Amino acid sequence: DARVTQTPRDKVTEMGQEVTMRCQPILGHNTVFWYRQTMKQGLELLAYFRNRAPLDDSGMPKDRFSAEMPDATLATLKIQPSEPRDSAVYFCASGLLVSGVTEAFFGQGTRLTVV
Amino acid sequence: GENVEQHPSTLSVQEGDSAVIKCTYSDSASNYFPWYKQELGKGPQLIIDIRSNVGEKKDQRIAVTLNKTAKHFSLHITETQPEDSAVYFCAAIVGAGSYQLTFGKGTKLSVIP
Repeated sequence: DARVTQTPRDKVTEMGQEVTMRCQPILGHNTVFWYRQTMKQGLELLAYFRNRAPLDDSGMPKDRFSAEMPDATLATLKIQPSEPRDSAVYFCASGLLVSGVTEAFFGQGTRLTVV
Repeated sequence: GENVEQHPSTLSVQEGDSAVIKCTYSDSASNYFPWYKQELGKGPQLIIDIRSNVGEKKDQRIAVTLNKTAKHFSLHITETQPEDSAVYFCAAIVGAGSYQLTFGKGTKLSVIP
C-alpha cells in the first residue's frame, strides 16, 4: 500500500530552535507539496517541487522557512528560528501529473508545537 | 486567484440517511475538483474527484456532481455509516498542468448511529 511517510509525527520545541520535518513521497511520484493546516487559515500551500526542482515557494515565510529535496525519496521542510505562530500541522503530499492535472496524496502530517 | 466556498460547516445526519456538501468556485478556468476526507489525527485522504469535462461521477456510496455554468460542485454520500464521520474538504485547481489546490474550509460530518 503506497503512502506518503512523514517524520516526526509530533514535535514540541522551544521558540528559537530549529525544526526539520521530513517526507518520503510515494515511489514514482514526481511532485511534492508542503501544506500547513491551522484552524484559522485551513490548508495553505507552502511549497511545491516537480522533479525535485522547487517551482513555487511563495507561500513560505522566506526569512525562516526553507524546503529542499536532496533526492527523489526525501523532501525536507526546515524552520529556523521557530516561533509560536508556526504551531500547526504540516502536511507533505506527493502526486503525479495525470491528463493535465496533479492528483495529490497526503501524508499523516507533523504536528508542530512551538512553546 | 481561485476562491472556494464550502457549505455547510457542520452537518449531522442519522445513520442510513444521505449527506450533501456543496462548494462554489470563482475561477471559470478551474478544471479539476477533488474531495478529501480527513479523520482526526490523520492527513486528508482523496476519496473522489471530477474533471471539468464530466458532469457526474460515482464510486459506490459516494458521488460528485459538477455544474460548470453555475460554478458549483457537490459531494453526495448515500446510506451513511458511522465511519463516514469526518471532516470533508472540497478543492479546485486551475489550468492544464496546474498544481495549486485551493481548499474549502471543510465540513464536519457527524453520522449518528
